[in-house]
Amino acid sequence: EDQVTQSPEALRLQEGESSSLNCSYTVSGLRGLFWYRQDPGKGPEFLFTLYSAGEEKEKERLKATLTKKESFLHITAPKPEDSATYLCAVYRYSSASKIIFGSGTRLSIRP
Amino acid sequence: EAGVTQSPTHLIKTRGQQATLRCSPISGHTSVYWYQQALGLGLQFLLWYDEGEERNRGNFPPRFSGRQFPNYSSELNVNALELEDSALYLCASSQTSGTETQYFGPGTRLLVL
Repeated sequence: EDQVTQSPEALRLQEGESSSLNCSYTVSGLRGLFWYRQDPGKGPEFLFTLYSAGEEKEKERLKATLTKKESFLHITAPKPEDSATYLCAVYRYSSASKIIFGSGTRLSIRP
Repeated sequence: EAGVTQSPTHLIKTRGQQATLRCSPISGHTSVYWYQQALGLGLQFLLWYDEGEERNRGNFPPRFSGRQFPNYSSELNVNALELEDSALYLCASSQTSGTETQYFGPGTRLLVL
Protein backbone atom coordinates (compact mmCIF):
# COMPACT_ATOMS: atom_id res chain seq x y z
CA GLU A 1 0.00 0.00 0.00
CA ASP A 2 1.24 3.47 -0.89
CA GLN A 3 2.37 5.39 2.14
CA VAL A 4 3.95 8.74 2.96
CA THR A 5 5.44 9.30 6.41
CA GLN A 6 6.81 12.59 7.67
CA SER A 7 9.07 13.06 10.65
CA PRO A 8 9.28 14.56 13.12
CA GLU A 9 5.65 15.46 13.77
CA ALA A 10 6.73 18.70 15.38
CA LEU A 11 10.04 20.54 15.55
CA ARG A 12 10.95 23.58 17.60
CA LEU A 13 14.11 25.46 16.65
CA GLN A 14 15.83 28.60 17.73
CA GLU A 15 16.14 31.31 15.11
CA GLY A 16 19.25 30.57 13.05
CA GLU A 17 19.36 26.88 14.04
CA SER A 18 19.45 24.81 10.84
CA SER A 19 17.70 21.43 10.59
CA SER A 20 16.04 18.96 8.22
CA LEU A 21 12.55 17.55 7.83
CA ASN A 22 12.09 14.04 6.50
CA CYS A 23 9.54 12.52 4.13
CA SER A 24 9.81 8.80 3.51
CA TYR A 25 7.59 7.05 1.00
CA THR A 26 6.67 3.62 -0.25
CA VAL A 27 5.09 4.16 -3.63
CA SER A 28 5.27 2.02 -6.70
CA GLY A 29 6.14 4.07 -9.72
CA LEU A 30 6.85 7.49 -8.22
CA ARG A 31 6.20 10.23 -10.71
CA GLY A 32 6.81 13.24 -8.53
CA LEU A 33 7.20 14.44 -4.97
CA PHE A 34 5.86 17.79 -3.80
CA TRP A 35 6.61 19.98 -0.82
CA TYR A 36 4.06 22.50 0.44
CA ARG A 37 3.96 24.98 3.28
CA GLN A 38 0.69 25.48 5.15
CA ASP A 39 -0.10 28.25 7.62
CA PRO A 40 -2.93 27.65 10.13
CA GLY A 41 -6.39 27.83 8.55
CA LYS A 42 -5.01 28.48 5.06
CA GLY A 43 -4.46 26.49 1.91
CA PRO A 44 -1.09 24.84 1.24
CA GLU A 45 1.43 26.96 -0.62
CA PHE A 46 3.49 25.18 -3.26
CA LEU A 47 7.24 25.08 -2.65
CA PHE A 48 8.94 22.41 -4.80
CA THR A 49 8.40 19.50 -7.15
CA LEU A 50 11.10 16.81 -7.41
CA TYR A 51 10.96 14.12 -10.09
CA SER A 52 14.03 11.91 -9.83
CA ALA A 53 16.55 10.66 -7.28
CA GLY A 54 19.46 13.05 -6.89
CA GLU A 55 17.43 16.09 -7.81
CA GLU A 56 17.74 19.18 -5.59
CA LYS A 57 15.82 22.46 -5.54
CA GLU A 58 16.33 25.61 -3.50
CA LYS A 59 14.25 28.58 -2.53
CA GLU A 60 15.56 31.17 -0.09
CA ARG A 61 16.40 29.28 3.13
CA LEU A 62 14.84 26.01 1.94
CA LYS A 63 16.45 23.20 -0.01
CA ALA A 64 14.69 19.99 -1.01
CA THR A 65 16.45 16.76 -1.97
CA LEU A 66 15.17 13.40 -3.21
CA THR A 67 16.42 9.82 -2.99
CA LYS A 68 14.71 6.61 -4.04
CA LYS A 69 13.09 6.21 -0.63
CA GLU A 70 12.87 9.64 0.94
CA SER A 71 13.05 13.37 0.59
CA PHE A 72 14.55 15.95 2.90
CA LEU A 73 13.61 19.58 3.34
CA HIS A 74 16.63 21.37 4.71
CA ILE A 75 16.09 24.72 6.36
CA THR A 76 19.14 26.91 6.82
CA ALA A 77 19.27 29.69 9.42
CA PRO A 78 15.49 29.77 9.82
CA LYS A 79 13.55 32.86 10.85
CA PRO A 80 10.31 33.06 12.88
CA GLU A 81 8.34 33.62 9.65
CA ASP A 82 9.35 30.12 8.53
CA SER A 83 7.08 28.71 11.23
CA ALA A 84 4.38 26.62 9.52
CA THR A 85 3.38 23.06 8.78
CA TYR A 86 5.38 21.53 5.94
CA LEU A 87 3.59 18.91 3.88
CA CYS A 88 5.07 16.30 1.60
CA ALA A 89 3.01 14.61 -1.12
CA VAL A 90 3.75 11.99 -3.75
CA TYR A 91 2.26 11.39 -7.14
CA ARG A 92 2.55 8.04 -8.88
CA TYR A 93 2.06 6.67 -12.32
CA SER A 94 -1.41 5.18 -12.51
CA SER A 95 -4.79 5.84 -13.97
CA ALA A 96 -5.96 7.06 -10.58
CA SER A 97 -3.70 10.09 -10.82
CA LYS A 98 -4.19 11.23 -7.27
CA ILE A 99 -1.54 12.49 -4.91
CA ILE A 100 -1.01 11.17 -1.40
CA PHE A 101 -0.15 13.59 1.38
CA GLY A 102 1.87 12.97 4.50
CA SER A 103 0.56 14.24 7.82
CA GLY A 104 3.07 17.08 7.93
CA THR A 105 5.75 18.48 10.23
CA ARG A 106 4.82 21.46 12.41
CA LEU A 107 7.84 23.72 12.48
CA SER A 108 8.14 26.44 15.11
CA ILE A 109 11.01 28.94 15.09
CA ARG A 110 11.64 30.89 18.31
CA PRO A 111 13.16 34.38 18.02
CA GLU B 1 -2.26 36.25 -12.14
CA ALA B 2 -5.17 35.33 -9.89
CA GLY B 3 -4.82 32.17 -7.85
CA VAL B 4 -7.41 29.57 -7.00
CA THR B 5 -10.43 31.15 -5.37
CA GLN B 6 -13.02 29.51 -3.15
CA SER B 7 -16.34 30.61 -1.74
CA PRO B 8 -17.67 31.01 0.81
CA THR B 9 -14.76 31.36 3.24
CA HIS B 10 -16.89 30.08 6.10
CA LEU B 11 -20.11 28.08 6.16
CA ILE B 12 -22.24 27.05 9.13
CA LYS B 13 -24.86 24.34 8.70
CA THR B 14 -26.84 21.99 10.88
CA ARG B 15 -26.95 18.22 10.74
CA GLY B 16 -28.95 16.86 7.81
CA GLN B 17 -28.62 19.99 5.70
CA GLN B 18 -26.80 20.30 2.41
CA ALA B 19 -23.68 22.38 1.76
CA THR B 20 -22.44 23.74 -1.55
CA LEU B 21 -18.84 24.90 -1.91
CA ARG B 22 -17.42 26.62 -4.98
CA CYS B 23 -14.03 26.82 -6.59
CA SER B 24 -12.53 28.77 -9.49
CA PRO B 25 -9.22 27.42 -10.82
CA ILE B 26 -6.24 29.38 -12.06
CA SER B 27 -6.81 30.60 -15.60
CA GLY B 28 -5.65 27.94 -18.05
CA HIS B 29 -5.96 25.08 -15.57
CA THR B 30 -8.39 22.34 -16.54
CA SER B 31 -8.11 20.00 -13.56
CA VAL B 32 -9.76 20.68 -10.22
CA TYR B 33 -9.24 18.66 -7.06
CA TRP B 34 -11.11 18.69 -3.76
CA TYR B 35 -9.62 17.74 -0.40
CA GLN B 36 -10.93 17.53 3.15
CA GLN B 37 -8.72 18.55 6.05
CA ALA B 38 -10.27 17.84 9.41
CA LEU B 39 -8.79 19.63 12.42
CA GLY B 40 -5.40 18.20 13.26
CA LEU B 41 -5.52 15.69 10.41
CA GLY B 42 -3.88 15.48 7.02
CA LEU B 43 -5.36 16.24 3.64
CA GLN B 44 -7.72 13.56 2.41
CA PHE B 45 -8.37 13.37 -1.32
CA LEU B 46 -12.06 13.73 -2.20
CA LEU B 47 -12.58 14.25 -5.94
CA TRP B 48 -10.75 15.05 -9.16
CA TYR B 49 -12.42 16.69 -12.15
CA ASP B 50 -10.90 17.27 -15.55
CA GLU B 51 -12.57 18.62 -18.69
CA GLY B 52 -15.95 18.41 -17.03
CA GLU B 53 -15.66 14.77 -16.05
CA GLU B 54 -15.14 13.12 -12.67
CA ARG B 55 -11.84 11.25 -13.06
CA ASN B 56 -11.36 9.81 -9.59
CA ARG B 57 -12.74 9.95 -6.08
CA GLY B 58 -11.34 9.14 -2.67
CA ASN B 59 -12.80 6.94 0.05
CA PHE B 60 -15.80 9.11 0.85
CA PRO B 61 -19.50 8.21 0.81
CA PRO B 62 -21.70 9.12 -2.19
CA ARG B 63 -23.22 12.05 -0.31
CA PHE B 64 -20.02 13.88 -1.27
CA SER B 65 -20.43 14.82 -4.91
CA GLY B 66 -19.62 17.61 -7.27
CA ARG B 67 -19.33 18.78 -10.80
CA GLN B 68 -17.15 20.85 -13.08
CA PHE B 69 -18.61 23.50 -15.32
CA PRO B 70 -17.59 24.40 -18.93
CA ASN B 71 -15.49 27.29 -17.59
CA TYR B 72 -13.62 24.72 -15.42
CA SER B 73 -14.96 26.08 -12.15
CA SER B 74 -16.23 23.43 -9.79
CA GLU B 75 -18.77 22.83 -7.09
CA LEU B 76 -18.64 20.40 -4.18
CA ASN B 77 -21.92 19.29 -2.66
CA VAL B 78 -22.22 17.55 0.67
CA ASN B 79 -25.66 16.11 1.41
CA ALA B 80 -27.10 14.96 4.71
CA LEU B 81 -24.39 16.73 6.70
CA GLU B 82 -22.95 14.99 9.72
CA LEU B 83 -21.00 16.53 12.60
CA GLU B 84 -17.78 14.86 11.42
CA ASP B 85 -18.02 16.70 8.09
CA SER B 86 -16.78 19.79 9.90
CA ALA B 87 -13.43 20.55 8.27
CA LEU B 88 -11.47 22.83 5.98
CA TYR B 89 -12.33 21.98 2.38
CA LEU B 90 -9.56 22.78 -0.02
CA CYS B 91 -9.72 23.09 -3.77
CA ALA B 92 -6.65 22.84 -5.98
CA SER B 93 -6.09 23.17 -9.70
CA SER B 94 -3.43 21.98 -12.12
CA GLN B 95 -2.50 22.78 -15.67
CA THR B 96 -2.96 19.35 -17.20
CA SER B 97 -4.93 16.31 -16.21
CA GLY B 98 -3.39 15.18 -12.96
CA THR B 99 0.21 15.43 -14.03
CA GLU B 100 1.28 18.85 -12.91
CA THR B 101 1.74 20.60 -9.61
CA GLN B 102 -1.48 21.36 -7.78
CA TYR B 103 -2.03 24.91 -6.56
CA PHE B 104 -4.40 25.36 -3.65
CA GLY B 105 -7.05 27.89 -2.79
CA PRO B 106 -7.57 29.36 0.68
CA GLY B 107 -10.25 26.84 1.60
CA THR B 108 -13.81 26.89 2.92
CA ARG B 109 -14.25 26.25 6.63
CA LEU B 110 -17.42 24.18 7.11
CA LEU B 111 -18.89 23.88 10.57
CA VAL B 112 -21.74 21.45 11.14
CA LEU B 113 -23.75 21.98 14.33
